[in-house]
Amino acid sequence: QLVLTQSPSASASLGASVKLTCTLSSGHSSYAIAWHQQQPEKGPRYLMRLNSDGSHSKGDGIPDRFSGSSSGAERYLTISSLQSEDEADYYCQTWGTGIQMFGGGTKLTVL
Amino acid sequence: QVQLQESGPGLVKPSETLSLICAVSGYSISRGPFWGWIRQPPVKGLEWIGTIYHSGSTYYNPSLKSRVTISVDTSKNQFSLKLSSVTAADTAVYYCARAASGSGYYPDAFDIWGQGTMVTVSS
Repeated sequence: QLVLTQSPSASASLGASVKLTCTLSSGHSSYAIAWHQQQPEKGPRYLMRLNSDGSHSKGDGIPDRFSGSSSGAERYLTISSLQSEDEADYYCQTWGTGIQMFGGGTKLTVL
Repeated sequence: QVQLQESGPGLVKPSETLSLICAVSGYSISRGPFWGWIRQPPVKGLEWIGTIYHSGSTYYNPSLKSRVTISVDTSKNQFSLKLSSVTAADTAVYYCARAASGSGYYPDAFDIWGQGTMVTVSS
């Protein structure tokens, strides 16, 4: 069964870097995902599509501070030079043959 | 610039049908590839509801499939969501979004989102 697992929370200091993780369920390590950002009281915003080989394509206007990488069944979102506006919920999303789904989301706190 | 805007009643009575429209501007819906609905209950995560190909083929979340209908109106450049027999558990912010398709056959990443519309189910 295709499932995405995310840690509920993460924190990092202003100006630092943070790496968020999205884990694909067993047998699905070749799947691509997408990362989305949801700032407080706002709708989600597409950040990037991330493939199993680590290649990724970002949405329009997404800063270079956001990057993606992959290792096995894990998909990562790295945010460098953290800014206050990066404090948000981050969701990963994946898809199968006609099925789409989201992970539970990670709430990022910028200290 | 592609924009999506949800509209519909903000309050629906239990057992009735929730109906929403997503108007697309700056892009022809006929170009596709896919168009979807996602919802977010208060203080909870995102839940995929369903997705439609611009020609009308649909894919639904199995947990909602018996109650969901998504349709597209290319003449009005919009697509719609109907969710029947609603209960308080259907109270959520409802988002529409465009879905890309790397394969050309199935939807994948939602790459453009609407702002969302809050729907409350209550008598």
